[in-house]
Amino acid sequence: GNSVTQMEGPVTLSEEAFLTINCTYTATGYPSLFWYVQYPGEGLQLLLKATKADDKGSNKGFEATYRKETTSFHLEKGSVQVSDSAVYFCALILWQDKLIFGTGTLLAVQP
Amino acid sequence: DSGVTQTPKHLITATGQRVTLRCSPRSGDLSVYWYQQSLDQGLQFLIQYYNGEERAKGNILERFSAQQFPDLHSELNLSSLELGDSALYFCASSVAEGNYGYTFGSGTRLTVV
Repeated sequence: GNSVTQMEGPVTLSEEAFLTINCTYTATGYPSLFWYVQYPGEGLQLLLKATKADDKGSNKGFEATYRKETTSFHLEKGSVQVSDSAVYFCALILWQDKLIFGTGTLLAVQP
Repeated sequence: DSGVTQTPKHLITATGQRVTLRCSPRSGDLSVYWYQQSLDQGLQFLIQYYNGEERAKGNILERFSAQQFPDLHSELNLSSLELGDSALYFCASSVAEGNYGYTFGSGTRLTVV
């Protein structure tokens, strides 16, 4: 079946450190890929997306590149801030199917 | 404000009771999705409606049901509640079926005591 695998958390970083959260997927077809972010006590917000291979999604300093050859969509940010502390979810969707989420990765950024 | 409105934000109820969660999708969105978020199960898809019709079912218990009304708002009904039903319930909407991303509401936190 279709699925998303994310690295286990929590990920604890100091402010201004480089962030990578790994995400790989399994899909029967060509999915669109997403990163959602959930801040404490809030709903999920779309952070970025990519709809085809080699597309790079970017937003608020975060980036992720759709790698078909490695079935990956790793999230990166060059310099994290305390305000980036949240849970990050990788997700995929296939045409006319539902959005499938990974288990989420908690990021804690310390000053 | 995402444009997806969920009410109530918090709900505390006793085991065996029935509750109704309400969702108004973003203006122009025809599809509504319900998800359950719990600590041990993560984000689980429950059910999808498109323009009033049920389109897909996920891990939804028989004690749970949903519908989408002509004005496109949706309700999720949870009955014979158990302690394990305590969770965050999210509604999301999208403009159509397909590989679009969803816009999520802020959720309803249900606590069953």
